[in-house]
Amino acid sequence: DAKTTQPPSMDCAEGRAANLPCNHSTISGNEYVYWYRQIHSQGPQYIIHGLKNNETNEMASLIITEDRKSSTLILPHATLRDTAVYYCIVRVAGNTDKLIFGTGTRLQVFP
Amino acid sequence: KAGVTQTPRYLIKTRGQQVTLSCSPISGHRSVSWYQQTPGQGLQFLFEYFSETQRNKGNFPGRFSGRQFSNSRSEMNVSTLELGDSALYLCASSLEAGGVQGTQYFGPGTRLTVL
Repeated sequence: DAKTTQPPSMDCAEGRAANLPCNHSTISGNEYVYWYRQIHSQGPQYIIHGLKNNETNEMASLIITEDRKSSTLILPHATLRDTAVYYCIVRVAGNTDKLIFGTGTRLQVFP
Repeated sequence: KAGVTQTPRYLIKTRGQQVTLSCSPISGHRSVSWYQQTPGQGLQFLFEYFSETQRNKGNFPGRFSGRQFSNSRSEMNVSTLELGDSALYLCASSLEAGGVQGTQYFGPGTRLTVL
């Protein structure tokens, strides 16, 4: 079973920041938080990951709370092409690539 | 670099038949994972291969099998197809299994329809 909880859907106006929350209250000390997204009928796309520090790349920012029980993915200026299902996943970095996907958040960006 | 490629992209089979799906990882990637996506169950992990060895297996019946070749290309096979096997089958590759960076690159998938 997935170890994360996300709202089923969210809306965001184009050009505004999209803040997608994720709860992972049972996360272990050696588990990373990963975000992927899936645009309709395509394969999932890696966005960002982090352990305990906030992270930023060209796509998004990841804010992890100090107790690591929740995190927020931030798309700073959402575009229509960001409409997708966003998955928050916790994973131990070790000898497996296995990802356990939850139901994700369907983000709808509107004009 | 070319991305992960999967063939065929679409497939229609009838119950009882078997099917083989193919995945070519990004050049240099040695780890390949397979996932099944259905509207009811979402994305579910099938299995993972690294250096021709199965490293991990999901909770699927033995009708689902796979293998990896020395060039890292992978195939998965489903025998005795059932209607419930209709799904999008996704392949993902990464440089090494379980790496901290954890960046897996997914292919476009093979859409299997079982009639």
